Amino acid sequence: EAQVTQNPRYLITVTGKKLTVTCSQNMNHEYMSWYRQDPGLGLRQIYYSMNVEVTDKGDVPEGYKVSRKEKRNFPLILESPSPNQTSLYFCASSLSPTTASTSYEQYFGPGTRLTVT
Amino acid sequence: GESVGLHLPTLSVQEGDNSIINCAYSNSASDYFIWYKQESGKGPQFIIDIRSNMDKRQGQRVTVLLNKTVKHLSLQIAATQPGDSAVYFCAENIGGSNYQLIWGAGTKLIIKP
Repeated sequence: EAQVTQNPRYLITVTGKKLTVTCSQNMNHEYMSWYRQDPGLGLRQIYYSMNVEVTDKGDVPEGYKVSRKEKRNFPLILESPSPNQTSLYFCASSLSPTTASTSYEQYFGPGTRLTVT
Repeated sequence: GESVGLHLPTLSVQEGDNSIINCAYSNSASDYFIWYKQESGKGPQFIIDIRSNMDKRQGQRVTVLLNKTVKHLSLQIAATQPGDSAVYFCAENIGGSNYQLIWGAGTKLIIKP
């Protein structure tokens, strides 16, 4: 089954304790992205990756890191989490959007609800 | 800054009626628009998309209309069903080398029995 998986689904942690949220897709997609979703703000992009070893900042990258060492995995790293990073996080993947005829249809994971106290 | 916005945060529709969800965008350079549906506790799911060289596109029970003159996008759902209850997001891409989608805040669609 084609899917994007995220782990963990729920995480409660304390300020300053480094954490990693994993994301994996089995569709051989080039493009992967991380979003955070907060009430009334829709989805805001944190980082995205056009392909292996190619990553770039989205709208709200501060406090986050990513890596893309393999095509299928795109982990999100919070080196020193703070309470303002409490949010619902989504990973998404799609075919490369560089082709004019290609859709930007992104496949989303189930979400990771993070609480930082 | 430029953003995608929605006229109504909540829309209540009688089951069987048609639903129209509206979206205003402000970036005239946007060349691609997409609608997603998010059910409670799930990630967004693709519904339909449209490029700026079109003004209408139809899918299964859904139609997206694009009016570039007034920078307005709408999603029409025919014969609304209980399973259509969700939050609907529009998003835009401004094209060029920027592959980011700019998302609206969402409209919650409530189906009345």
